[in-house]
Amino acid sequence: AQSVTQPDIHITVSEGASLELRCNYSYGATPYLFWYVQSPGQGLQLLLKYFSGDTLVQGIKGFEAEFKRSQSSFNLRKPSVHWSDAAEYFCAVGAEEYGNKLVFGAGTILRVKS
Amino acid sequence: DSGVTQTPKHLITATGQRVTLRCSPRSGDLSVYWYQQSLDQGLQFLIQYYNGEERAKGNILERFSAQQFPDLHSELNLSSLELGDSALYFCASSNPLYPNTEAFFGQGTRLTVV
Repeated sequence: AQSVTQPDIHITVSEGASLELRCNYSYGATPYLFWYVQSPGQGLQLLLKYFSGDTLVQGIKGFEAEFKRSQSSFNLRKPSVHWSDAAEYFCAVGAEEYGNKLVFGAGTILRVKS
Repeated sequence: DSGVTQTPKHLITATGQRVTLRCSPRSGDLSVYWYQQSLDQGLQFLIQYYNGEERAKGNILERFSAQQFPDLHSELNLSSLELGDSALYFCASSNPLYPNTEAFFGQGTRLTVV
């Protein structure tokens, strides 16, 4: 069965500190990987995506993620967090073989302290 | 703006009632996906339509149904509503003719069952 694990439900970082949000997946096909961000009461905004090629992908708002096939991971990173980054972050995986429907992780809530 | 339009934005209804959520995909997108986001289940895939035909089914209750019309807009029908159906319902669209492109999400319909 396809699954996505985000092991951290909550993470608190200081403004200006670096951030890494973890994501591991279990998938029976070559995966497409995504990170979305959701502010309270808002929709899902795509931060970045990986389909193939370079395993280090750059996204919006200074975020990047690295696909590590051997570890089945797609961790999200940002070198310096801003207070406006406080939100909930979702990792998702899909595959053409499964019609590109997405399986989402449970989300990680990021708190930024000043 | 993702180009995916969902109406209504908010819906409050009583238990036992039936509601219809509407989704207009991005121009040219043939696939429509429905997702449910609830506090206890997280973000879950419900159902996918491709060019009018059901393509994939996820954790969709029998009380729920969907369809995609010839103009490609889609409707999600929820009947015999229960308190536990209160959730944010997202629609997403994509065009499988263009590989390596992500699905675009609407802003969601927040359903409150009272």
